[in-house]
Amino acid sequence: SQTIHQWPATLVQPVGSPLSLECTVEGTSNPNLYWYRQAAGRGLQLLFYSVGIGQISSEVPQNLSASRPQDRQFILSSKKLLLSDSGFYLCAWSVGTSSKYFGPGTRLTVT
Amino acid sequence: AQSVAQPEDQVNVAEGNPLTVKCTYSVSGNPYLFWYVQYPNRGLQFLLKYITGDNLVKGSYGFEAEFNKSQTSFHLKKPSALVSDSALYFCAVRDMGGSGTYKYIFGTGTRLKVLA
Repeated sequence: SQTIHQWPATLVQPVGSPLSLECTVEGTSNPNLYWYRQAAGRGLQLLFYSVGIGQISSEVPQNLSASRPQDRQFILSSKKLLLSDSGFYLCAWSVGTSSKYFGPGTRLTVT
Repeated sequence: AQSVAQPEDQVNVAEGNPLTVKCTYSVSGNPYLFWYVQYPNRGLQFLLKYITGDNLVKGSYGFEAEFNKSQTSFHLKKPSALVSDSALYFCAVRDMGGSGTYKYIFGTGTRLKVLA
């Protein structure tokens, strides 16, 4: 069966520090991968999606970047965090026309 | 562009009563619609989807959703609510992204509170 992992589960970082969040998927090949941010426990904003290794599409201009160094690994990064980067970050995967499945999320607090 | 709307920020229902969480959509072409549930500090869990076929879709945990094309709605329902159903519910519609992939457009979410 397929599983998706995210780490860390929670993170507190000072403004101006770098960020690296990791997402890995098991049990499937060539998945589409997604990064979402959820602010204040409500709506979801699509940040990035990827259809293959090294292929990243950005949905909104921001202080973040994404990379996909391996087929089942998706990384969200920032060189310098802003207060507004705080939120709940969700990774998700899908294959073809299948439904989208989400990871457990990472809660990021920028202080 | 595709969109979904969840008109209620919060729905309160007594345990044992039927519940409905509303969702309306706006799409060009045939809609692909989804419901997800999110428990506190957790990721989203898939509940059910409508692609084609019967208008009444059955999903996980006893939930079902009714697709109504004339009213452009896809309301989530459950005949008898449980306290453990209290969570945040998201409606979503699938849209085409670049490179042949799909994006999901999510509603703003409805917080369901089931009262004991």
